Amino acid sequence: EIVMTQSPATLSVSPGERATLSCRASQSVSSNLAWYQQKPDQAPRLLIYGASTRATGIPARFSGSGSGTEFTLTISSLQSEDFAVYYCQHYNNWPQTFGQGTKVEIK
Amino acid sequence: EVQLLESGGGLVQPGGSLRLSCAASGFTFSSYAMTWVRQAPGKGLEWVSATSGSGGSTNYADSVKGRFTVSRDNSKNTLYLQMNSLRAEDTAVYYCAKALTSIAVAAPLDYWGQGTLVTVSS
Repeated sequence: EIVMTQSPATLSVSPGERATLSCRASQSVSSNLAWYQQKPDQAPRLLIYGASTRATGIPARFSGSGSGTEFTLTISSLQSEDFAVYYCQHYNNWPQTFGQGTKVEIK
Repeated sequence: EVQLLESGGGLVQPGGSLRLSCAASGFTFSSYAMTWVRQAPGKGLEWVSATSGSGGSTNYADSVKGRFTVSRDNSKNTLYLQMNSLRAEDTAVYYCAKALTSIAVAAPLDYWGQGTLVTVSS
């Protein structure tokens, strides 16, 4: 099983600032990596797939990069609606696994 | 509009069984792999199981293998998760989710239901 490790666990950022979230896979997942956003009492929402492709309707301030074992989600200028928990997930093989999440909170 | 509606959650005793359903609409259900993901209270997301569009291919997390069975009825546009030998650690909100593409079984998940809560407790 591939273990996905996200860092940091919590990121305190002021509105308008840049946020950088990391995700590391215990072995290569190629570019088969997705990022999801989850707000309290809501289902997750797909943000990025293929490590760097934005899903339909996702604002351009969200960008993803990386391949192999190291991945990054960048939010260029945090808006109030972006404060949430973010999860990475690989879909390279079975079982697909999620990282433990990074909570982005208001500083 | 794609819609996924889970049902069947509730309170069950340890060792008991429960069957979850996920009613799908707004897309060609039989063309897409479907996945179950769960989230324990206050915890992160855990991938549980997935099935191909035809239902002929299934995969499970080690934590549920041998106890849970995923299936689908494409004539009813419905996904199921049969959960047997339930344990306290199976307590979670269970989400069904649709694969982004119709090509691969292993794919990102672009639509999610709102979830159904399963509580395993005596």
